[in-house]
Amino acid sequence: DTGVSQDPRHKITKRGQNVTFRCDPISEHNRLYWYRQTLGQGPEFLTYFQNEAQLEKSRLLSDRFSAERPKGSFSTLEIQRTEQGDSAMYLCASSPGLVGGYTFGSGTRLTVV
Amino acid sequence: AQSVTQLDSQVPVFEEAPVELRCNYSSSVSVYLFWYVQYPNQGLQLLLKYLSGSTLVKGINGFEAEFNKSQTSFHLRKPSVHISDTAEYFCAVSVPNTGFQKLVFGTGTRLLVSP
Repeated sequence: DTGVSQDPRHKITKRGQNVTFRCDPISEHNRLYWYRQTLGQGPEFLTYFQNEAQLEKSRLLSDRFSAERPKGSFSTLEIQRTEQGDSAMYLCASSPGLVGGYTFGSGTRLTVV
Repeated sequence: AQSVTQLDSQVPVFEEAPVELRCNYSSSVSVYLFWYVQYPNQGLQLLLKYLSGSTLVKGINGFEAEFNKSQTSFHLRKPSVHISDTAEYFCAVSVPNTGFQKLVFGTGTRLLVSP
């Protein structure tokens, strides 16, 4: 069990550019979640995958955001045409079941300048 | 919809003193309750959880929490804190039997332990 890995740890991008983040969950976990955390706030739910199927999306996930989990393994979160308001920590988590909490990764901190 | 209130944004305490971090939640249905800790520039680590059963829950690093249904609270306690406990603490809830486990977090409490 190597935990949940996220890459990159930090990303600085210019407004209007596209960015993509990667998450590798714990291998036996079939459930994967993305959250966004802004400064001084708790994490907010973005989207949920069970295996390769994206089953839930928050209204926070605008049309500029897209997430995938091909083959039910790693996941990617892409933000197109980034805006300054997208600056945040993007957290990935995975779980083996429906209860009991998640295991979080260390996050990707995005700064849009 | 569920919500979580952590009234204290920051709690300063001296090393070896006891501490209580407050968490209140709002929900029209039963919930699961969690406490997570976040160290600087890191993800969240699960401290403890209440799913059912005994209302006193013990977690890692000497922390415990008590579920009080009538007061809709789930306060986190530690009898003697260490410098290394300095971190951000988040209370969260989820609703059972909804098909997936969405966590709703509070805004966090920063615990500052000084010597």
